[in-house]
Amino acid sequence: EADIYQTPRYLVIGTGKKITLECSQTMGHDKMYWYQQDPGMELHLIHYSYGVNSTEKGDLSSESTVSRIRTEHFPLTLESARPSHTSQYLCASRTGGTDTQYFGPGTRLTVL
Amino acid sequence: GESVGLHLPTLSVQEGDNSIINCAYSNSASDYFIWYKQESGKGPQFIIDIRSNMDKRQGQRVTVLLNKTVKHLSLQIAATQPGDSAVYFCAEGPIKAAGNKLTFGGGTRVLVKP
Repeated sequence: EADIYQTPRYLVIGTGKKITLECSQTMGHDKMYWYQQDPGMELHLIHYSYGVNSTEKGDLSSESTVSRIRTEHFPLTLESARPSHTSQYLCASRTGGTDTQYFGPGTRLTVL
Repeated sequence: GESVGLHLPTLSVQEGDNSIINCAYSNSASDYFIWYKQESGKGPQFIIDIRSNMDKRQGQRVTVLLNKTVKHLSLQIAATQPGDSAVYFCAEGPIKAAGNKLTFGGGTRVLVKP
């Protein structure tokens, strides 16, 4: 069982609000990822990080931003949430010595 | 573009029977494949993986088969149990790719009937 945590698990907010989704892992993994997933659909990579102070955009264009100031922490921020941002956001991490990504429980975001 | 896809969106299986979930991939450069299980309200959970230098790998009650000739991946679950009910995703990733990006296919829902 991987030690990767996401908060909040569920979030319902109004349009225009700024939100930050938290992701933390206690495994010392240097590589971290954010995916967006609609119910029952495939996962789409929106951001990833090789390590501290490293962030890259993923395959799916996203209006969100990320930061990586500490190894264990990889927060995702939406400056102005819109209904189109309603989705599940999954965080994952891996160590450089393996290709297996371990996922957190996800944050289900609903923007009204 | 490159894609990973699943043949069956929903698979109903009797408890105790074996399940087979199929996945096709199109990126011939992929050399790492992985299966995840996702239960309702949870994040994907690692099941088993396989590298392209292998054609079969076994875990506890699960077996992954890789056929590089036809770019096909399958997951076999032996003696399917109610706890196996979930959505299963396959994913592929070139080992050397920047950031080890994984490309996910659409999920297959497995429903285990008592």
